[in-house]
Amino acid sequence: GAVVSQHPSRVICKSGTSVKIECRSLDFQATTMFWYRQFPKQSLMLMATSNEGSKATYEQGVEKDKFLINHASLTLSTLTVTSAHPEDSSFYICSASGTSGGESGDTQYFGPGTRLTVL
Amino acid sequence: RKEVEQDPGPFNVPEGATVAFNCTYSNSASQSFFWYRQDCRKEPKLLMSVYSSGNEDGRFTAQLNRASQYISLLIRDSKLSDSATYLCVVNRRDDKIIFGKGTRLHILP
Repeated sequence: GAVVSQHPSRVICKSGTSVKIECRSLDFQATTMFWYRQFPKQSLMLMATSNEGSKATYEQGVEKDKFLINHASLTLSTLTVTSAHPEDSSFYICSASGTSGGESGDTQYFGPGTRLTVL
Repeated sequence: RKEVEQDPGPFNVPEGATVAFNCTYSNSASQSFFWYRQDCRKEPKLLMSVYSSGNEDGRFTAQLNRASQYISLLIRDSKLSDSATYLCVVNRRDDKIIFGKGTRLHILP
């Protein structure tokens, strides 16, 4: 199946700093990338959807100025958590969909996630 | 009512048994359906897509019932390694993706 990588896998930062998370599709062109957040024992919550070359669409309640998303190419999207606070500590997961071989464009392939801890 | 609903479980099932769980969806415009498996503190991994005709992959069988708006997952001959949370995912025609909250499965030795 298609491979999506995420970097870093774990980050610890001080309150007030910014953290950038990268999401890459390694063997297919991801026309759409998604960013999720997952708090302990809860389901994934979609934060935003981004299409290559256009602005991201944010879900209700997600601050676009705090969570900056850039999808500059068909294989890379970045999420920047600006001025991070302890309540931003969470597991951030990206996923990508596109066409890869015979796979449907609906199928999402998830990155391994980034665990963010803000002190 | 939530758009995608799953029984959170946990389902505690002895090894070797068959277990089945359902997921209901409320939006009849939903067009694609998937089961993902998520291990503790890991990302979800695609288990299988769900087709109207039903599909089988080894010990796993998925079914879609559009009339009643539910999808099901059946696991036969369950193994300890099947212990995980199973997420039902629905793609709507407007490309919105909705996750269920997941069903926790514990396979007991």
